[in-house]
This record gives sequence, C-alpha cells and structure tokens, in this order.
Amino acid sequence: AQKITQTQPGMFVQEKEAVTLDCTYDTSDPSYGLFWYKQPSSGEMIFLIYQGSYDQQNATEGRYSLNFQKARKSANLVISASQLGDSAMYFCAMREGGTGGFKTIFGAGTRLFVKA
Amino acid sequence: DVKVTQSSRYLVKRTGEKVFLECVQDMDHENMFWYRQDPGLGLRLIYFSYDVKMKEKGDIPEGYSVSREKKERFSLILESASTNQTSMYLCATIRLSGHTEAFFGQGTRLTVV
Repeated sequence: AQKITQTQPGMFVQEKEAVTLDCTYDTSDPSYGLFWYKQPSSGEMIFLIYQGSYDQQNATEGRYSLNFQKARKSANLVISASQLGDSAMYFCAMREGGTGGFKTIFGAGTRLFVKA
Repeated sequence: DVKVTQSSRYLVKRTGEKVFLECVQDMDHENMFWYRQDPGLGLRLIYFSYDVKMKEKGDIPEGYSVSREKKERFSLILESASTNQTSMYLCATIRLSGHTEAFFGQGTRLTVV
C-alpha cells in the first residue's frame, strides 16, 4: 500500500533563513507524482510544487524547491529565505498513475512557525 | 479561473441522519476525491472517482459512500451519521495534463451531534 510520512509535527525557523520539511513515501508504482501544499490558518489549500517520478531535475517554484531523492524515496521541501507569511501547515502528497484512476494521498502534515 | 465548489461551508446533523456533501468542479477533470481532515492525521482519502459512475475506495471508506452521475459532480454520502464523523471534509480534483496540480474546494465543516 502506498504511504506518505512526514516525521516533523512542528518546525521553527528564523525569518530569512532556509528550512527543510521532510517527506518520505512508499509506492511500488513506477509512475507517480509528488506534491507539496500549504494550508494557512484560513484553511485553503495552496499548491506549491510538483515533481514527477520521471522528471530528471528537481522542481523549483520561486522560493520553493523539492529535493527529490528517488532511491531514498524522499521528497523534501526546501523553503529559502523564510517569511513570516510562511507560517502554516505543510502537506506532502503522492499520486500514483494507472488505468484505475490516480489515487492521491497526503501525509499528516508539518506545522511551520517562522520567528521574527 | 478553476473552481471546485462544495455545497456547504458548515453543517450540523444529528446522529443517524443521512448526510449528503456535494462537490462540483468546472474544469472537466476526470479524477475527483473526497478527504477528511483531522488534527494530527492530515488529509485521509475516503473515496475517489476517475470517471462517471466509477469509484474506488480510499483508505477510510467505512461509513461512507459516493455517487458520480455526472462528470462535474461528486457526492459524498454518510448513510447514518455518527459523532466520529465530525470533521472537515475536503473535495479535490486533479489536473494531469501540462502543469500537474490538485485543486480543492473550500471545505465543509461537519458536526454530528
């Protein structure tokens, strides 16, 4: 069965510093994709970044980058130059490919606190 | 602008009632999902659908059923609501062509009393 693990329930980071949020996954499907989402206190889910299993390069979107290590089955999110507005819950998610739909599951999340 | 709309933002229902949560998307996506979100547990997949009338169980389907009669609408049904189904329910769709991304509704906060 596929699985997503986020081992850090909470993280603190100083404003303007970089922070890494961990995510490991488990799947036997060779075709899969990994997402990161941000959920601020307002509750909306904000898409941050996506990495396909066949993508050769690590995905980047502005201050967000995904450190994809396929052999280790990890997909850590790196946020550079943290801002106070980055304080939120962060979820890692994985979708598998296939003819029977694209099952997409989420991890338990990491709450990030950015300190001024 | 893409849109996923859930019919209610807040619902209060009594134990034993049949509850319908509706989700409509305007993006012509095949894949739709229902999750529940609870503190410390993240989003847990209840059911998903990859086509009209097609459905697959997620990780926690017990006590729920779904209906997808039209491509744009995916309904979650609680056959007999119980207090342990008090939760935030999120509907989502996924775009797989081009820039892959999942889109979420605003969520329905369901309280079963």
